[in-house]
Amino acid sequence: GQQVMQIPQYQHVQEGEDFTTYCNSSTTLSNIQWYKQRPGGHPVFLIQLVKSGEVKKQKRLTFQFGEAKKNSSLHITATQTTDVGTYFCAGNHNYGQNFVFGPGTRLSVLP
Amino acid sequence: SQTIHQWPATLVQPVGSPLSLECTVEGTSNPNLYWYRQAAGRGLQLLFYSVGIGQISSEVPQNLSASRPQDRQFILSSKKLLLSDSGFYLCAWRETGLNTEAFFGQGTRLTVV
Repeated sequence: GQQVMQIPQYQHVQEGEDFTTYCNSSTTLSNIQWYKQRPGGHPVFLIQLVKSGEVKKQKRLTFQFGEAKKNSSLHITATQTTDVGTYFCAGNHNYGQNFVFGPGTRLSVLP
Repeated sequence: SQTIHQWPATLVQPVGSPLSLECTVEGTSNPNLYWYRQAAGRGLQLLFYSVGIGQISSEVPQNLSASRPQDRQFILSSKKLLLSDSGFYLCAWRETGLNTEAFFGQGTRLTVV
C-alpha cells in the first residue's frame, strides 16, 4: 500500500541551530503537503508543493519537492522556541480522495 | 468562511461503554471528511474517510465505526470501548480534488479507564 516515511522521528536542537526533516514516499505523488502541530493542538496546514523540483519559502522555512516527486524536505533556519511542535508531511496520489500522512518529526528547541 | 466543529474536547469513559464523537463542517458542501486517531507522541492514523453521504471507507479494522448521516456531519462511534481506544481523535475536512488542504478540528482527547 501507499506509505510515507519521515525522518528523524525526534530532533532536539539548540535555539539558533538549523533543522531539517525528510519525507519519502514509496510511490510517485501528485503533490505533498506539510502541516505543523503544536503541543496539545491540532495539525495546521503550512504549504503544498505540486511541481517536480519545486522550492518554496516561508520566512525561515524552506520546502522542497524532489525531482521524482517521491521525496520532500522541510528546512528551518535558525530555529526559535516558537518552532516547537511536530511536523507532518502528507502525500497525495493521483487517484482516490485519500492522502497519507507521514509519522511526523517532533522538534524540540532548547533556549 | 468554512469552519469545523468537533466535540467534546475531552472525554473519560469506562471500558465497555459506548462512544459517539461528532464533527460538523460549515461553509462548504460535499466535503471529504476524515477521522484520525493519534496516540500520545505518535503520528496520525487514518480511521475512516468519506467522500459523500452514506459513503464510508474504513482504513483500519477495529471496534470503531463511522457514519455520515448528513453532508457536513461525520460521526465516530463504538458500541464497547477498549482501553486501547484511548487517544486523541481528530476530524478533518478538505474540498474534493487532489490539490486541496486539510482543515482539522480541535480534537477530542479520549481516555478509556
